[in-house]
Amino acid sequence: DAGVTQSPTHLIKTRGQHVTLRCSPISGHKSVSWYQQVLGQGPQFIFQYYEKEERGRGNFPDRFSARQFPNYSSELNVNALLLGDSALYLCASSLNGGNQPQHFGDGTRLSIL
Amino acid sequence: GQQVMQIPQYQHVQEGEDFTTYCNSSTTLSNIQWYKQRPGGHPVFLIQLVKSGEVKKQKRLTFQFGEAKKNSSLHITATQTTDVGTYFCAGTYNTDKLIFGTGTRLQVFP
Repeated sequence: DAGVTQSPTHLIKTRGQHVTLRCSPISGHKSVSWYQQVLGQGPQFIFQYYEKEERGRGNFPDRFSARQFPNYSSELNVNALLLGDSALYLCASSLNGGNQPQHFGDGTRLSIL
Repeated sequence: GQQVMQIPQYQHVQEGEDFTTYCNSSTTLSNIQWYKQRPGGHPVFLIQLVKSGEVKKQKRLTFQFGEAKKNSSLHITATQTTDVGTYFCAGTYNTDKLIFGTGTRLQVFP
């Protein structure tokens, strides 16, 4: 079975632009979470979705938004990009969210120039 | 806000030596999970601890959850070069947010 897949793998944007990152969970997993990992730090929780509903939100500005589709895939959108948004964006899936173990994808490396 | 701290930040050991990383939370955790991230890779789930005082073993790895559910540790016996990576603890506090610790980067010299 395929693991969590994310696209694109790398992305270069300039300040002020908008970006959409995509994630497909493991088959059968209904929950998707998004994390931001800056080099040398631990992943920071951004959102968790379960059955298309937002179940958790981290301390990120409103420029960050996400949604989950009926097939359980998900998109993370970031508007008005700042230099500080440069990071590895990780998607993780789990069966039902909550406290369950997270299965991570390889991430999208976003660079802001 | 809720924070999860880990010590040490870095640890260099000779192959065959033991290694321990400690995880501390300012408030009581619902559960604690441990992940390993190899250089250039993504976090990989190792184990989850839920009960106060719980101890779990996976081959050379021993995980403990404190009695007060505010701290945890991961101990590796007789490290190998394949153990290289960053070890993160991650906890939840009665919400669906998983809060990752600051991580301990382990380097093993042959």
